[in-house]
Amino acid sequence: DGGITQSPKYLFRKEGQNVTLSCEQNLNHDAMYWYRQDPGQGLRLIYYSQIVNDFQKGDIAEGYSVSREKKESFPLTVTSAQKNPTAFYLCASSPWQGASEQFFGPGTRLTVL
Amino acid sequence: AQKVTQAQTEISVVEKEDVTLDCVYETRDTTYYLFWYKQPPSGELVFLIRRNSFDEQNEISGRYSWNFQKSTSSFNFTITASQVVDSAVYFCALSDLPQTGANSKLTFGKGITLSVRP
Repeated sequence: DGGITQSPKYLFRKEGQNVTLSCEQNLNHDAMYWYRQDPGQGLRLIYYSQIVNDFQKGDIAEGYSVSREKKESFPLTVTSAQKNPTAFYLCASSPWQGASEQFFGPGTRLTVL
Repeated sequence: AQKVTQAQTEISVVEKEDVTLDCVYETRDTTYYLFWYKQPPSGELVFLIRRNSFDEQNEISGRYSWNFQKSTSSFNFTITASQVVDSAVYFCALSDLPQTGANSKLTFGKGITLSVRP
């Protein structure tokens, strides 16, 4: 079945460690996005990519990094510079250029101890 | 700057009641798009509807209906005869019309937690 997969569902890390969250899609979508969700805060855009080997910062990019080496994959690294990394992270993709709806993965809940 | 306000944070209803979720938006663009998403307890956001700024017709899909009023910058969502399975967080979102060749970005409201009790 086509869709977006994120792994793992739950992730625990010690403070000061970098951690990479996986996002893969087999929908042949050009654009991919990473959001962070905190309780009562809605979704905030971290990074987005419109095409392979290109990505742009969103509203809260500090402390995060991404890569887009393949159309299907858009991994997000949460670095030790992110001061408050514990959150729910959602990956999304959209099928065409323009104001298309975005399709979301199941999310990864990151807890930094 | 774009902004989406969902003033209601939590709503609790009894099954079979009708419930309306409010969404008010701000944008300087004359062309824009509005969305509603549902986030069940599993966490994945489910797309419900997209509406462009030129189409003010109300939309009905089964028990769901949407009322878009440009004059008041609102895009409200009504669930008729609510069911326990409607319990979720509902997000309203706004996107601009991007430059040619670009993808749009979504601005989300903070979400409304709907609880439907049996």
